[in-house]
Amino acid sequence: GNSVTQMEGPVTLSEEAFLTINCTYTATGYPSLFWYVQYPGEGLQLLLKATKADDKGSNKGFEATYRKETTSFHLEKGSVQVSDSAVYFCALSDGGATNKLIFGTGTLLAVQP
Amino acid sequence: DVKVTQSSRYLVKRTGEKVFLECVQDMDHENMFWYRQDPGLGLRLIYFSYDVKMKEKGDIPEGYSVSREKKERFSLILESASTNQTSMYLCASRLRDFSNQPQHFGDGTRLSIL
Repeated sequence: GNSVTQMEGPVTLSEEAFLTINCTYTATGYPSLFWYVQYPGEGLQLLLKATKADDKGSNKGFEATYRKETTSFHLEKGSVQVSDSAVYFCALSDGGATNKLIFGTGTLLAVQP
Repeated sequence: DVKVTQSSRYLVKRTGEKVFLECVQDMDHENMFWYRQDPGLGLRLIYFSYDVKMKEKGDIPEGYSVSREKKERFSLILESASTNQTSMYLCASRLRDFSNQPQHFGDGTRLSIL
């Protein structure tokens, strides 16, 4: 079945460091891919998305490219801030009759000043 | 902006009680979802609803039921609460079932069953 695997956390970085959070997926067909972010005490917010191969989603300095050949959608940011501290979830939309979202287990990012 | 409102941020109930979690969205979305979030397991889908009075089981429906009598409201019901249902519950809505439409989430209800 469809699934999402993302790197385990926590990831601890200093401010202005480069961030990569790995995400790989298993899916039949051509799913849409998403990154959601959950700040402390809040629900999930859509961070970025990509709907087809080679698409790059971007928002708030974060980027991710839909790589069909490696079935990956890694999240990157060139210079993290303390305010980026949150849990990041990779997800795919299964594109079936229900178009459900399938989530990874989440990666906690802690950015230290 | 889409607003998804969950009725309680924190809730404490006792084993065996019938528990209602309420979710309201204000953007006329057709689809609504209930998830539970547990450490190391991510989000797991409990139930979803395509539209009013429609419901489908998700991945972990056992011990839960839902109600969608009005388009804006989607209720999750724990028929007889048990301690293994202690969790964070998240509601979401989406404009129809198109794969590239994002889901919009509420802030969650942290439920403790004693």
